[in-house]
Amino acid sequence: DAGITQSPRYKITETGRQVTLMCHQTWSHSYMFWYRQDLGHGLRLIYYSAAADITDKGEVPDGYVVSRSKTENFPLTLESATRSQTSVYFCASSAIGANVLTFGAGSRLTVL
Amino acid sequence: EDKVVQSPLSLVVHEGDTVTLNCSYEVTNFRSLLWYKQEKKAPTFLFMLTSSGIEKKSGRLSSILDKKELFSILNITATQTGDSAVYLCAVGNNAGNMLTFGGGTRLMVKP
Repeated sequence: DAGITQSPRYKITETGRQVTLMCHQTWSHSYMFWYRQDLGHGLRLIYYSAAADITDKGEVPDGYVVSRSKTENFPLTLESATRSQTSVYFCASSAIGANVLTFGAGSRLTVL
Repeated sequence: EDKVVQSPLSLVVHEGDTVTLNCSYEVTNFRSLLWYKQEKKAPTFLFMLTSSGIEKKSGRLSSILDKKELFSILNITATQTGDSAVYLCAVGNNAGNMLTFGGGTRLMVKP
């Protein structure tokens, strides 16, 4: 399927567990992003990547790890999940020089 | 640190009303301001504004940017129940492609 896809769409896990959220895009966009959305905070940038093997921290990176070995994939890993990481996570991508981000459908994560 | 503030936080109107949503920002090396609509799923792109004073229009929606006063407005005329959503404002700077988002305005349009 063309576009940007996230998996899983819903995940329930326990405190301390490792969780990986996957993001795949088919446009060969250089830039990819992970945002989290919480009530009262809007969308906050966790990490972003300008190209394969180039990643950088956003506003709220603590507790998260990313990698980008291939242009089309940008997984987000919570190495030891905490309740404060319960949120909806959105992956997005954009072409170089384009500020318009296209978002995936989101992954709703609940940490018990 | 870039900052975006939207007002009001929420708004309830009746079909046919006209609404104005506000977005003010502080950004180093401004590049663009974007509006998104979010209906219980992923945000979808509405407008991107880069130049002051030039209105962008799409059907009943329009938006304008004031780079001197650092704000933008999104107008929706003749509102419909399908306009009910959270409207997000975001700004981009010249440091990269990332966007800084405001907290959003939740619009509810009643029949």
